[in-house]
Amino acid sequence: EADIYQTPRYLVIGTGKKITLECSQTMGHDKMYWYQQDPGMELHLIHYSYGVNSTEKGDLSSESTVSRIRTEHFPLTLESARPSHTSQYLCASSETATRGELFFGEGSRLTVL
Amino acid sequence: AQSVAQPEDQVNVAEGNPLTVKCTYSVSGNPYLFWYVQYPNRGLQFLLKYITGDNLVKGSYGFEAEFNKSQTSFHLKKPSALVSDSALYFCAVRDLNYGGSQGNLIFGKGTKLSVKP
Repeated sequence: EADIYQTPRYLVIGTGKKITLECSQTMGHDKMYWYQQDPGMELHLIHYSYGVNSTEKGDLSSESTVSRIRTEHFPLTLESARPSHTSQYLCASSETATRGELFFGEGSRLTVL
Repeated sequence: AQSVAQPEDQVNVAEGNPLTVKCTYSVSGNPYLFWYVQYPNRGLQFLLKYITGDNLVKGSYGFEAEFNKSQTSFHLKKPSALVSDSALYFCAVRDLNYGGSQGNLIFGKGTKLSVKP
């Protein structure tokens, strides 16, 4: 079992609300990632971080923002949610080594009404 | 650019029969290849990876994958499928030229495996 946790698992919220999806890992991994996935579909990398105070945008443009103030914590924030943000958001982490696999959280399914 | 392809959207297999989920890749250097499984409403779980060494890699839940450099393939296999193997399977390749020197994983579009009793 991977020690990476996401909350909330499910969130239904109205348009215009601010939301933060939490992601924490206890494995001491420097690298963390956020993927967006529509149901049964491919994953798109939206943010990643190689360590504290390091964040980069992924290959899919996203209106969300992330922060990495602590190694174990990588929250994702949407300032003003819209129906187009409805999706599943997956957080992952990995060791620094190139050979390292990603460990995924259980995901946060966001529905914006 | 590095890429990975899963040519089949869905694979249907009868329980007890062998299964194969196909994956081909394109990289400029040595490939680092991974397979993941995703059950409904869950995150991805790591199955196995190829970094170097033996072409046949064994992983979790009885799965294995064969690395074929000449065909640039990394097909996932299992000798005898179970109904509980029904899930979404993702192949991934690490792109050392993407996301800094360590590279980020590039995922295929996924293949839905359906195992019928």
